[in-house]
Amino acid sequence: AQTVTQSQPEMSVQEAETVTLSCTYDTSENNYYLFWYKQPPSRQMILVIRQEAYKQQNATENRFSVNFQKAAKSFSLKISDSQLGDTAMYFCAFMNGGTSYGKLTFGQGTILTVHP
Amino acid sequence: EAQVTQNPRYLITVTGKKLTVTCSQNMNHEYMSWYRQDPGLGLRQIYYSMNVEVTDKGDVPEGYKVSRKEKRNFPLILESPSPNQTSLYFCASSLSGGFGTEAFFGQGTRLTVV
Repeated sequence: AQTVTQSQPEMSVQEAETVTLSCTYDTSENNYYLFWYKQPPSRQMILVIRQEAYKQQNATENRFSVNFQKAAKSFSLKISDSQLGDTAMYFCAFMNGGTSYGKLTFGQGTILTVHP
Repeated sequence: EAQVTQNPRYLITVTGKKLTVTCSQNMNHEYMSWYRQDPGLGLRQIYYSMNVEVTDKGDVPEGYKVSRKEKRNFPLILESPSPNQTSLYFCASSLSGGFGTEAFFGQGTRLTVV
């Protein structure tokens, strides 16, 4: 079974600074997908970024980028130029490309607070 | 607007009183699932459905039932709720379950069982 671990329950950052959220996972599969979801106080789950395991290039979406280290099974999220609207809980998630079709396995979440 | 709609958003009920949380999507998605979110545990899958009339258990199915009679609807049924089912529940849908397709989530249902 796959597991996802987020070891930072809470993080804080000053507005305009950069912050990195950590995520590690455990799997014996070779074909899989990794995601970061944002959950603001509204509770809505919002997809931030997606990475295919077979792609070596790290995914980027505007101010959000990942550092995907397949051998180390690490998938961290970097938020540049942090904004107040980035304040939210962030979840790292894993999806197997083969068995467990469609199931997302989530980490425990990291609460990020951006201070003005 | 493409969306997943859950109702109700908040619900307080008593132990043993049957309840249903509805979920509907308007994106013609094949794959739908239910998750529960608990502090320190993240989200865990309860049940999923790959298509109409096809459902299967996720990681924490005990105490829950689902049905998929129509493609757009995927209700979650608690026939005899207990306090340990107090949680935040999310319905999600995706075009298919494979190839890492994006999951779209409903607004969540905060359930309290007293």
